[in-house]
Amino acid sequence: GAGVSQSPSNKVTEKGKDVELRCDPISGHTALYWYRQSLGQGLEFLIYFQGNSAPDKSGLPSDRFSAERTGGSVSTLTIQRTQQEDSAVYLCASSFLDQPQHFGDGTRLSIL
Amino acid sequence: AQSVSQHNHHVILSEAASLELGCNYSYGGTVNLFWYVQYPGQHLQLLLKYFSGDPLVKGIKGFEAEFIKSKFSFNLRKPSVQWSDTAEYFCAVTDDYKLSFGAGTTVTVRA
Repeated sequence: GAGVSQSPSNKVTEKGKDVELRCDPISGHTALYWYRQSLGQGLEFLIYFQGNSAPDKSGLPSDRFSAERTGGSVSTLTIQRTQQEDSAVYLCASSFLDQPQHFGDGTRLSIL
Repeated sequence: AQSVSQHNHHVILSEAASLELGCNYSYGGTVNLFWYVQYPGQHLQLLLKYFSGDPLVKGIKGFEAEFIKSKFSFNLRKPSVQWSDTAEYFCAVTDDYKLSFGAGTTVTVRA
């Protein structure tokens, strides 16, 4: 079946611009997660959704970062006024109940 | 907060050699443990997991891992590697829902 789908696969933008990253989880997966993979920082948790609510946003690095999930399905991670340190691969994962998380291919974000 | 430590940054070995990657974690409570693999150009894939029961778990592609609670370790092993095992390997731990990852180990297998 279809896995976790993320778009775009690559995004290059200028510093100060806003970006939106999209995640389409596996159908039926109630939990959705965003992680960030960057040089020197490894894989870091950003935010967790259960259904449409986000009980844990503790990993979001600043108030420039926000995320939403609608219909218990698609999620969007938005970064406002991007900075060069935001350059990273943003990974989305989904899971059903307490089963292991399945990851998407990620969005490689480059801030010029 | 949990932390996960992978001892090797880069491992280079020849085909048919045995592989062991170390992983230690800091959390003392009940945890679930995972090894994920990322092949070149591909997404993270689950290699194996430990939730409870037999501390020796077997995963895909001939990999296994042993959970040693007293040592807070979850080392990954494969008796005989193949060129196709070239990838980055991540150990991960969770006590609820969010995964804490190690820094990853790049494994290069020479034909």
